[in-house]
Amino acid sequence: DAKTTQPNSMESNEEEPVHLPCNHSTISGTDYIHWYRQLPSQGPEYVIHGLTSNVNNRMASLAIAEDRKSSTLILHRATLRDAAVYYCILRPRNTGKLIFGQGTTLQVKP
Amino acid sequence: ETGVTQTPRHLVMGMTNKKSLKCEQHLGHNAMYWYKQSAKKPLELMFVYNFKEQTENNSVPSRFSPECPNSSHLFLHLHTLQPEDSALYLCASSQDQWRTGSNTIYFGEGSWLTVV
Repeated sequence: DAKTTQPNSMESNEEEPVHLPCNHSTISGTDYIHWYRQLPSQGPEYVIHGLTSNVNNRMASLAIAEDRKSSTLILHRATLRDAAVYYCILRPRNTGKLIFGQGTTLQVKP
Repeated sequence: ETGVTQTPRHLVMGMTNKKSLKCEQHLGHNAMYWYKQSAKKPLELMFVYNFKEQTENNSVPSRFSPECPNSSHLFLHLHTLQPEDSALYLCASSQDQWRTGSNTIYFGEGSWLTVV
């Protein structure tokens, strides 16, 4: 399975934008890029996903590089409730599996 | 409310006990998953069921025995566990395993298992 690389941790100030990077240089043409997050003491929750084009939803935006070897999750205005572990995951089309890495622990300061 | 309910939320069991974790999804999904999350380690996929059939067993020891009687329910039967099996066990579901694109996986809140 293709792997992703994320920074172990990041900090942000409340109400400021946050850009969470993810490298996936071995991505295949049919891998979808998924982002999940896990708040303390909870199961992971879906944030956003994309294939080639940038995507927006009510939670975040996903910017995908033209060569698809990297992507960035953008939280437009971080709140304290956004403090969580963010996982960037490649989902192979032929298996449907969701394989988690270590993720990025995001701290949001008031 | 995530639509995926796990019980019990906390379980303490001895190494000779037999217990079960239960998962129920109210989303009309056909794929269900068990994941294990140990301290300081990434989530590990254990089992996948698609339309009640097991499609994935990620080399899980036989002391963990899954059961999927229908698309809405998933069990994890536990027998003669070891202290290192103590972890958060997460159940999840999706429309079906093979559907791509918007095949979002929904997780329950997990069952915290402590083996003493």
